[in-house]
Amino acid sequence: DAGVIQSPRHEVTEMGQEVTLRCKPISGHNSLFWYRQTMMRGLELLIYFNNNVPIDDSGMPEDRFSAKMPNASFSTLKIQPSEPRDSAVYFCASSSRGADIQYFGAGTRLSVL
Amino acid sequence: TQLLEQSPQFLSIQEGENLTVYCNSSSVFSSLQWYRQEPGEGPVLLVTVVTGGEVKKLKRLTFQFGDARKDSSLHITAAQPGDTGLYLCAGEFNDMRFGAGTRLTVKP
Repeated sequence: DAGVIQSPRHEVTEMGQEVTLRCKPISGHNSLFWYRQTMMRGLELLIYFNNNVPIDDSGMPEDRFSAKMPNASFSTLKIQPSEPRDSAVYFCASSSRGADIQYFGAGTRLSVL
Repeated sequence: TQLLEQSPQFLSIQEGENLTVYCNSSSVFSSLQWYRQEPGEGPVLLVTVVTGGEVKKLKRLTFQFGDARKDSSLHITAAQPGDTGLYLCAGEFNDMRFGAGTRLTVKP
């Protein structure tokens, strides 16, 4: 199994630009999670999906952030417009049983200049 | 404030030493997990504890869940440089919440 696949691994962009992060969960998993990790705040849950449906997006910082899961094998996290304070590592994780035993991707390191 | 408080935040020790890191909360968990994260990678699950007072061992790592299911500890015996990493605890409430982690460095 290839595990959770995230792309790109690194993204450098300028303030105001749109950023799209991508995630392919483990095949057969029905839950998908997006996290943001910074030194100051640690690992924060942004949003999670069950069976492609967003269940809890209370962690999404503001309207500039949006996430979609058009099918069971793909999800995107979009930031528009991006700001320097969005710089962080963004992780996607998937699970076969809701919030239990999550498998993480390698992350996308985002730098907004 | 973090729902889960981990201590210490940083720990640097010599190879062969023992160490304990802690995860505490004022809330009761239905389950608690420990992850290890290496630089440039995502967290990897080490163990899940469910029952109050439960002790689980994974080679040189011993995980304990508090009787009241509000706290947990991770003890490493004879630490090795390969143990270096960020150790995260995560508790299940309505969803999974992570602590800020303990960053462990084991020097050869």
